[in-house]
Amino acid sequence: GAVVSQHPSRVICKSGTSVKIECRSLDFQATTMFWYRQFPKQSLMLMATSNEGSKATYEQGVEKDKFLINHASLTLSTLTVTSAHPEDSSFYICSARDFSGRTDIQYFGAGTRLSVL
Amino acid sequence: QKEVEQNSGPLSVPEGAIASLNCTYSDRGSQSFFWYRQYSGKSPELIMSIYSNGDKEDGRFTAQLNKASQYVSLLIRDSQPSDSATYLCAVIEGYSTLTFGKGTMLLVSP
Repeated sequence: GAVVSQHPSRVICKSGTSVKIECRSLDFQATTMFWYRQFPKQSLMLMATSNEGSKATYEQGVEKDKFLINHASLTLSTLTVTSAHPEDSSFYICSARDFSGRTDIQYFGAGTRLSVL
Repeated sequence: QKEVEQNSGPLSVPEGAIASLNCTYSDRGSQSFFWYRQYSGKSPELIMSIYSNGDKEDGRFTAQLNKASQYVSLLIRDSQPSDSATYLCAVIEGYSTLTFGKGTMLLVSP
């Protein structure tokens, strides 16, 4: 299947700092990428939908000024957690939508585990 | 509101048995259906996609879709302990986002 690369895999930072997470589709162009958050033993929660060349669409309850999303190219989307606090500690996962040919499939990156001290 | 329902489990099966995972969805307009596997602490991994009624087989996995009953299932034959994971059913309609079920935990005992 298609590959989605996500970096870094793990981040430990101090409270108040900002953290940038990158998500790249390696062998297909992704006009749409998604950012999810998952707390331990809980379901995936969609945070936002990122469309290349336009503003991201955030789910209800997700602060767009805190979670900055940029989708500047067809293969790269970034999520910046600004002024991170301990409650932002979570597993962040991106996915990219391969909507080519006859299929429409979302592939996931490996995830980024964020720990805010 | 679109909903995808799964039994949370855990579903426990012995090694070598057939594991049957089920999923129902509320949106009749849904067109694409997926099964993802998620190991603890890891991100979801796509294992099957199905778009039309009937069965689709890939190795030990068989996905079954019945749009009239709004039901999709995943059968895992010859279950192995390495199959122990949470299986997520996901549904998409048109250009909308994936809607995930909460997942079913599968435990395969040696």
